[in-house]
Amino acid sequence: AQKITQTQPGMFVQEKEAVTLDCTYDTSDPSYGLFWYKQPSSGEMIFLIYQGSYDQQNATEGRYSLNFQKARKSANLVISASQLGDSAMYFCAMREPSGSARQLTFGSGTQLTVLP
Amino acid sequence: GAGVSQTPSNKVTEKGKYVELRCDPISGHTALYWYRQSLGQGPEFLIYFQGTGAADDSGLPNDRFFAVRPEGSVSTLKIQRTERGDSAVYLCASSKLAGAYNEQFFGPGTRLTVL
Repeated sequence: AQKITQTQPGMFVQEKEAVTLDCTYDTSDPSYGLFWYKQPSSGEMIFLIYQGSYDQQNATEGRYSLNFQKARKSANLVISASQLGDSAMYFCAMREPSGSARQLTFGSGTQLTVLP
Repeated sequence: GAGVSQTPSNKVTEKGKYVELRCDPISGHTALYWYRQSLGQGPEFLIYFQGTGAADDSGLPNDRFFAVRPEGSVSTLKIQRTERGDSAVYLCASSKLAGAYNEQFFGPGTRLTVL
């Protein structure tokens, strides 16, 4: 079963508008971490934002916020005031501490295109 | 400070050849990860080092793949008898620790093409 599901292969947004990228996850661990990474065409993975499963408030980092709905097992990324430089691939990822490697498990990504 | 570096940035090889991919993590980071990213997919875990030892190699697809980190810093991913299906971007990441939360810093990746 997929641990991280991103159902939007591609999204378009007008510059200066807000956009929400969907992510649902599956885990039986009560303690886990959720991450969003941005991957521009250059290929490097850029960390954007983190949400811990026990965090009471939704995480925010500048124009990025995470809409964390624990009961629904969703962790959607909201980008406000989109900029042309936001055009990139966006990956949702999860870490479960019960795994020995504590590796990240990634979704298949969403390609975001910001239109001028 | 310097980020994670990977060399080479691109590697083209022929089927059946041996390749080595190098990762130089951020100084002081004890945890090191290798991931493989196929076209249009998210990265997939290959192997994890804590210090010098491979703490978890459960993601390695088969015994043609091997990785070392002899001094607890630089790591080398080795692929024997390469196959066309090995073509992908190989990403390395490092973090200070492998705790419940820690940000993994990724390198730019090595794009491997097997002809």
